Parts: sequence; structure tokens; C-alpha cells
Amino acid sequence: AQSVAQPEDQVNVAEGNPLTVKCTYSVSGNPYLFWYVQYPNRGLQFLLKYITGDNLVKGSYGFEAEFNKSQTSFHLKKPSALVSDSALYFCAVREGSTPLVFGKGTRLSVIA
Amino acid sequence: DAGVIQSPRHEVTEMGQEVTLRCKPISGHDYLFWYRQTMMRGLELLIYFNNNVPIDDSGMPEDRFSAKMPNASFSTLKIQPSEPRDSAVYFCASSLQGKGAAFFGQGTRLTVV
Repeated sequence: AQSVAQPEDQVNVAEGNPLTVKCTYSVSGNPYLFWYVQYPNRGLQFLLKYITGDNLVKGSYGFEAEFNKSQTSFHLKKPSALVSDSALYFCAVREGSTPLVFGKGTRLSVIA
Repeated sequence: DAGVIQSPRHEVTEMGQEVTLRCKPISGHDYLFWYRQTMMRGLELLIYFNNNVPIDDSGMPEDRFSAKMPNASFSTLKIQPSEPRDSAVYFCASSLQGKGAAFFGQGTRLTVV
């Protein structure tokens, strides 16, 4: 069965600095990988996905993620963090047509 | 498109009462998912449908939970009778062809007192 690990419950970064939110996955076949963001009292918003092709995926709001098959990782990155990026971030994986399996989430706090 | 629409946004009910949560998926999407989010357990998949047919309900915690999808534009999640431990945020999501991203509704925050 597929699974996702987000090793950090909380990430703190200063505004303007680069940010990284870590994610590793486990699947038996080819993974489809996703990042979502959740603001308080809101649903999950889709940020980006990796299905196939280029290992560097660009998404909404300046976020990008790098698929690394050898390390089974899919870390979320942004070159310059904004205070408005503060939110809960979820990594998710699916295999074939199975439903998304989510990590436990990482709370990002961007400090002005 | 208006996105996935859930109702109600908030529900407060007394223990033992029946609760019905509603979802309208994005038009044209053929997969529909019900998730539950709690602080302790994170996001849990309860059940999902493909073309209105339930595919996997192994995440439904107990027989008190049931879900239906009578047509492509509507689904319900029912809890009868409700218990305080059912308090959570329930999300509905839909996707196209099972391999793409799932798009989530705003959720229903359920409080059972």
C-alpha cells in the first residue's frame, strides 16, 4: 500500500528566504505525487502534481517541487517565502486510479 | 465552474441524532471521495465512488456511517446515530479519471454534543 511521510510537523522561515517542505513516499509502482495547501477553516487547495516527465514541477503561487526517484522524495520549494504562504501543507500520493493518500501535514510559518 | 460544493458548512447536533452531509462534485468528474479530518488522525479516506458506484468503503468507521451517490451530481454521507467522537471536518472531493488531482470542497465542520 502507498504511504507518505512528512517528517516535519512545523517549518519556520523568515520572509524572503527560500523554503522547503519535505515529503517522502512509498509505492510499489509508479507514483503520482501531489501537494496541497490548507488555510484555516478552508478546504485543501491543489498546488501542483507530478505524473510523469520533467522531475521539476512548477505550480501555483510560485511553488515548485522536485521528484527524486532514487530518494523517493517530492519536496516542496519556493525561492522567496511570503507571510501569506503561512498555512498547512499536505503531500499526497496515488498509484494508478487509487485514491489520494495524504501525509500528516506540515505547518509552515513565515515570519516577517 | 463553482468547484465542489458541500453543505452545510457547519453542523451542531446532539448525540444520537441523524446527520446528513451533502456534496455536489465538479461537473464531468467521475470519481468522488469522502474524507474526514481530525487533529489526531489527520486526513482519512472514508469511501470513494467511480461513476456513482461505491468502490471502497473500508474506511467507513462503523455501520453508523453510510454514503450514497444517486447520480453524478450528488452524494450524501449519513451518520445515524451520531456520537461525540464523530466530531470532525468532513471533506468531499472529486477528480477526473482517477489519475489527476482531486479537488476539495470547503468541508463540513460537524460537532456532536
